[in-house]
Amino acid sequence: SQTIHQWPATLVQPVGSPLSLECTVEGTSNPNLYWYRQAAGRGLQLLFYSVGIGQISSEVPQNLSASRPQDRQFILSSKKLLLSDSGFYLCAWSWGGGQPQHFGDGTRLSIL
Amino acid sequence: SQQGEEDPQALSIQEGENATMNCSYKTSINNLQWYRQNSGRGLVHLILIRSNEREKHSGRLRVTLDTSKKSSSLLITASRAADTASYFCATEGGAGSYQLTFGKGTKLSVIP
Repeated sequence: SQTIHQWPATLVQPVGSPLSLECTVEGTSNPNLYWYRQAAGRGLQLLFYSVGIGQISSEVPQNLSASRPQDRQFILSSKKLLLSDSGFYLCAWSWGGGQPQHFGDGTRLSIL
Repeated sequence: SQQGEEDPQALSIQEGENATMNCSYKTSINNLQWYRQNSGRGLVHLILIRSNEREKHSGRLRVTLDTSKKSSSLLITASRAADTASYFCATEGGAGSYQLTFGKGTKLSVIP
């Protein structure tokens, strides 16, 4: 069966510091991968998605970037965090269009 | 931008009662999906209903889709305290699309 791992679960970072959040999927190959951000009491905003190694599409202009160095690894990064980057970050995978997405347990990011 | 809009925003019911949540959307879709999120956790996929389907069941869950009204409903029958969570609808758009657009969710509280 497939599993998705996301870490860390919580992170407190100062403004201006770098960020690296990692997501890995096990038990499947060539999945579509997604990064979402969820503000408190809100729905999910799609940040990035990837259909293959090195292929990244960005949905919104922002202070963040994503990379997919391996088939089942998806990394969310920032060189300098802003206060507005606070939120709950969720990674997900799917087998493509018309298929459900499967989510990790998220990372709660607080910027001080 | 968010496509799906859930209604109500919050719902509180007694254990054993049925819970109905509604979702409206604006543009044509390939499918509509319902997800559940327990507090502080990732989303869990519940049901996917395709645009050519009108009703789908899974255990105590019943989902309907009315493409002419651009709306969907999720019914949870004989609710349990463990059903307490936020429920989100998500729409997948036109041909070749694999991105989901989420609503803001309905927060369901089931009182024992």
